[in-house]
Amino acid sequence: DGGITQSPKYLFRKEGQNVTLSCEQNLNHDAMYWYRQDPGQGLRLIYYSQIVNDFQKGDIAEGYSVSREKKESFPLTVTSAQKNPTAFYLCASSVLTGAFGYTFGSGTRLTVV
Amino acid sequence: GQQLNQSPQSMFIQEGEDVSMNCTSSSIFNTWLWYKQDPGEGPVLLIALYKAGELTSNGRLTAQFGITRKDSFLNISASIPSDVGIYFCAVGSNYKLTFGKGTLLTVNP
Repeated sequence: DGGITQSPKYLFRKEGQNVTLSCEQNLNHDAMYWYRQDPGQGLRLIYYSQIVNDFQKGDIAEGYSVSREKKESFPLTVTSAQKNPTAFYLCASSVLTGAFGYTFGSGTRLTVV
Repeated sequence: GQQLNQSPQSMFIQEGEDVSMNCTSSSIFNTWLWYKQDPGEGPVLLIALYKAGELTSNGRLTAQFGITRKDSFLNISASIPSDVGIYFCAVGSNYKLTFGKGTLLTVNP
């Protein structure tokens, strides 16, 4: 079945370490997105990519980095520069028709101790 | 970024009751969407609205795209326990979605 997979589901890291969250989709979607979710804050856009080898900053890109080397993959690195990295991270993908039919992954909960 | 005002922040209702939540914006948008998020999972699209004044139903769910294109509401009729979760409104612009802060719905059996 087609879908979008995030791994791992839970991730623990020590403060000061970089960590990479995986996101893979087999929906043949052109666009991919990373959102951060904090309690009571809704979903905030970190980065998005509409085509391979190109990506743009969202509203809260500081302390994060991404790559888009393949259409299917859009990994997110949470760097040590992110001051408050503990959160629930959601990856999504969509076609570029303007219909906004985002498909979300099941999320990764990152805890930094 | 664009601010969406979603209300109420949370609701506690009895099974069988109807629910209404809404979302407003200071800007005009051509696409309004409603998502539901189960605990620990990613959001799932419930209803998409593309035309001002449009009223769309999906089972017990009904959503409307405000005529001013600055608001939308979502109604759930005859709630059941599996309706619990966070409901988000979202607006689309430049191939990106901006989300409201969500309405947390709790249904007491």
